[in-house]
Amino acid sequence: QLQLQESGPGLVSPWETLSLTCTVSGGSISSSSHYWGWIRQPPGEGLEWIGSLHYSGSTYYSPSLKSRVTISVDTSNNQFSLKLNSVTAADTAMYYCARPPVDYGGLEVFDIWGQGTMVTVSS
Amino acid sequence: QSVLTQPPSVSAAPGQKVTISCSGSSSNIGNNYVSWYQQLPGTAPKLLIYENNKRPSGIPDRFSGSKSGTSATLGITGLQTGDEADYYCGTWDRSLTTGVFGTGTKVTVL
Repeated sequence: QLQLQESGPGLVSPWETLSLTCTVSGGSISSSSHYWGWIRQPPGEGLEWIGSLHYSGSTYYSPSLKSRVTISVDTSNNQFSLKLNSVTAADTAMYYCARPPVDYGGLEVFDIWGQGTMVTVSS
Repeated sequence: QSVLTQPPSVSAAPGQKVTISCSGSSSNIGNNYVSWYQQLPGTAPKLLIYENNKRPSGIPDRFSGSKSGTSATLGITGLQTGDEADYYCGTWDRSLTTGVFGTGTKVTVL
């Protein structure tokens, strides 16, 4: 059974870089034709799509974050990562990694989710 | 600010039916599939519906989805206390070139 697990620092200083990793278990990240995604949710607010990546390296980002975000893949460790630079308090959120349904080839639907990791931006 | 508008809350008694609307535009719902998620307190969202009306394996048929024009609707029949959660719609916006989610609706079982 495919599982995703986010990991990374829970506290990031303002104007620093937020770095998170999603570890995929129960399946290979490179055996799938799907796009693997990152989504975030500020406390008490709604969901925001950050971006998605294919194991081949192709990526799509939210225009509102594109200038600050990088999503990359490490197939040898079955992981993909999120980097968001120049963070502010507005980037404080629960960050989720996720994957679409097996029969869906799009970027914006997510069936399997990690449990999420809370990141707080504060000095 | 989300481009997909949902009512903040809906409520009904156990066993009854609720519907949740999701209103968008021609650049998103009007020309793309809609998905729906359930988020129980303190947990990750769970996919209920995708491609407007398809249910992933394990999702009961009490949950249904439909789309008409630039709006979509999630229906929940036989309401249970365990259905108390936040519900979000989602789709792709071809003008913004981004995935978008609705504002969210809290379902309360009276």
